[in-house]
Amino acid sequence: GAGVSQSPSNKVTEKGKDVELRCDPISGHTALYWYRQSLGQGLEFLIYFQGNSAPDKSGLPSDRFSAERTGGSVSTLTIQRTQQEDSAVYLCASSRTSIIINEQFFGPGTRLTVL
Amino acid sequence: AQSVAQPEDQVNVAEGNPLTVKCTYSVSGNPYLFWYVQYPNRGLQFLLKYITGDNLVKGSYGFEAEFNKSQTSFHLKKPSALVSDSALYFCAVRDGGGSGGGADGLTFGKGTHLIIQP
Repeated sequence: GAGVSQSPSNKVTEKGKDVELRCDPISGHTALYWYRQSLGQGLEFLIYFQGNSAPDKSGLPSDRFSAERTGGSVSTLTIQRTQQEDSAVYLCASSRTSIIINEQFFGPGTRLTVL
Repeated sequence: AQSVAQPEDQVNVAEGNPLTVKCTYSVSGNPYLFWYVQYPNRGLQFLLKYITGDNLVKGSYGFEAEFNKSQTSFHLKKPSALVSDSALYFCAVRDGGGSGGGADGLTFGKGTHLIIQP
């Protein structure tokens, strides 16, 4: 079956603009995660969704970052008033249930460059 | 709080030799431990996990990892390295909290570049 897909694959924007990144999880996966991969920083957890429950936003770095998940499937990560330090690869992952012992399946990522 | 350390930015191994990529962790409860691999220009791929039971866990592509509670380590190993194993490897942990479950994201190490020389 299809894996996790993300769009766009690359996004270049100017400082101060808003951007939206999209994630399509694997069909039937109820848990969805967003991470950020910065050069030399490894992966940083951003936000987690489980079904229709309120998301765990504990990893969001500032109030410029927000995410939603419509109908328990597709998710959008929005970054408002982008800054140069937001440049990174944004990764989405999904897993079958909220029980963390299920491995997460990652998408290819969106490379965001803020000029 | 949970954390992961991968002390080596890069590991160089000759093809055919055994390889080890080190990982240590810190959690307050029971650890759930994972290894992922990232090939150039590709997404992260799951290799193996430790949840409970046998300390030696076998995974994809001939890799295995050994959970050592006393040393809080989960080193990745392979008996005979292949050039195609060259990639970026990430160790990750989630604190099971002692009661199981939990729904937050994984905490990843910074990654180790594994380079297998022909």
